Amino acid sequence: GNSVTQMEGPVTLSEEAFLTINCTYTATGYPSLFWYVQYPGEGLQLLLKATKADDKGSNKGFEATYRKETTSFHLEKGSVQVSDSAVYFCALTTNAGKSTFGDGTTLTVKP
Amino acid sequence: ETGVTQTPRHLVMGMTNKKSLKCEQHLGHNAMYWYKQSAKKPLELMFVYSLEERVENNSVPSRFSPECPNSSHLFLHLHTLQPEDSALYLCASSQEGGGGGHTGELFFGEGSRLTVL
Repeated sequence: GNSVTQMEGPVTLSEEAFLTINCTYTATGYPSLFWYVQYPGEGLQLLLKATKADDKGSNKGFEATYRKETTSFHLEKGSVQVSDSAVYFCALTTNAGKSTFGDGTTLTVKP
Repeated sequence: ETGVTQTPRHLVMGMTNKKSLKCEQHLGHNAMYWYKQSAKKPLELMFVYSLEERVENNSVPSRFSPECPNSSHLFLHLHTLQPEDSALYLCASSQEGGGGGHTGELFFGEGSRLTVL
C-alpha cells in the first residue's frame, strides 16, 4: 500500500534559522504530493503542492520539489519566523483520489 | 476560511449521551471525509463519501454513524462513546473525478474538539 514517512519531531529552531523537514513516500503510479500545515487550534490547510516529477511547490517562503528518483518531497524554508510554529504534514494523493498522510512534524520557532 | 465549516467547535458529552457533529462545505465539491486526530497518533481516516455514497469505512466502531444527506453536508452521529474517543474530528472535502479541477487537494474544516467524560 501507499505510505508517507516524514521526519520525526519535535523540531525546535531559532528565528531566522534554515528549516528542512524530510518526507519520503511509497506509492504506485504518479501521485500528487502535498504539504499541509496545522496551526494551534485549527484544522489542516494546504501549504504547497506538486503534481508531477521535478515540479516545485512554493508558498509563504516554503518550498518542496517532487523528486521521483528518490521518492522524496522535502520541505524547506530559508529563514523561519515564530509565526511558522505549527505541525506540518506531508501527504500524497493517488490518481484514484486516495490520500495518505505522514504522522506530522511539530515545529517550534523561538525568538 | 477554507470553505468548510464544522459545528460545534467544542463538545463535551457523557458516555450515555447522543450528539452529532455537522460539516458543511461551500466549495461545490463531490467528496467529503471524516478524520480523527488524537494526541500523539497519526491522522486516521474514518469515512469517505463520494457523490453522497459511502465508499470507505475504515473499521470504525458502530458508535460512530455518518450521514451524508447531500453533497454539501456531512454529519457524524455519536452515541455511547468511550473516553478514548476524545479527539479532534476533522471534516474535509475534495473534488474527485476526471476533467477539470481534480488536484487531489483536501480542504479541511477547523475541527470539532470532542471530550467524552
